[in-house]
Amino acid sequence: AQRVTQPEKLLSVFKGAPVELKCNYSYSGSPELFWYVQYSRQRLQLLLRHISRESIKGFTADLNKGETSFHLKKPFAQEEDSAMYYCNSWGAGGTSYGKLTFGQGTILTVHP
Amino acid sequence: DAMVIQNPRYQVTQFGKPVTLSCSQTLNHNVMYWYQQKSSQAPKLLFHYYDKDFNNEADTPDNFQSRRPNTSFCFLDIRSPGLGDAAMYLCATSRDLQARGNQPQHFGDGTRLSIL
Repeated sequence: AQRVTQPEKLLSVFKGAPVELKCNYSYSGSPELFWYVQYSRQRLQLLLRHISRESIKGFTADLNKGETSFHLKKPFAQEEDSAMYYCNSWGAGGTSYGKLTFGQGTILTVHP
Repeated sequence: DAMVIQNPRYQVTQFGKPVTLSCSQTLNHNVMYWYQQKSSQAPKLLFHYYDKDFNNEADTPDNFQSRRPNTSFCFLDIRSPGLGDAAMYLCATSRDLQARGNQPQHFGDGTRLSIL
């Protein structure tokens, strides 16, 4: 079964500091990985998808198959980045087929 | 433009009184999902429909049922809500079960259910 682990439940940084939200996955095949974000009182929304190799709102995430990681990074955090972040994988087979496997989530707080 | 619409945003019901939450989508997606999300926790999948095929998660209580009368609408029925069922309920859609090009799920705003 697929598993996604976010080891940090809470992460606090100051505005302008770099931030890294950790995510590790367990999957024997080629993973389909995403970062979703949930701002206060807003819907859960897609932030990044690994296949796009894009930068959204200054965030990037690189898939490292050797370390089975998909960490989310931003060089200079902003107060508006404060939110709950979920690392997810898309199930390609077995009981996870067609489903998102959620990590436990990391609450990021950016202090002024 | 909201593409996954959940009504109502807030629902209050009494202990044991049946309640129905609704979800509609304008995306014409094949798959619709229902999640339960409790405070500061990750969403927990209850079940999903692929077209008319219903797929229940093994640990979803029998108290939770779902209906999908057509492509656009999906309902979550809680037959006898208990205090532990108070939560945010999220509806999501996906074009297909296969992640072609990494197609993500689209989520609604959720319905917050309170039990008196």
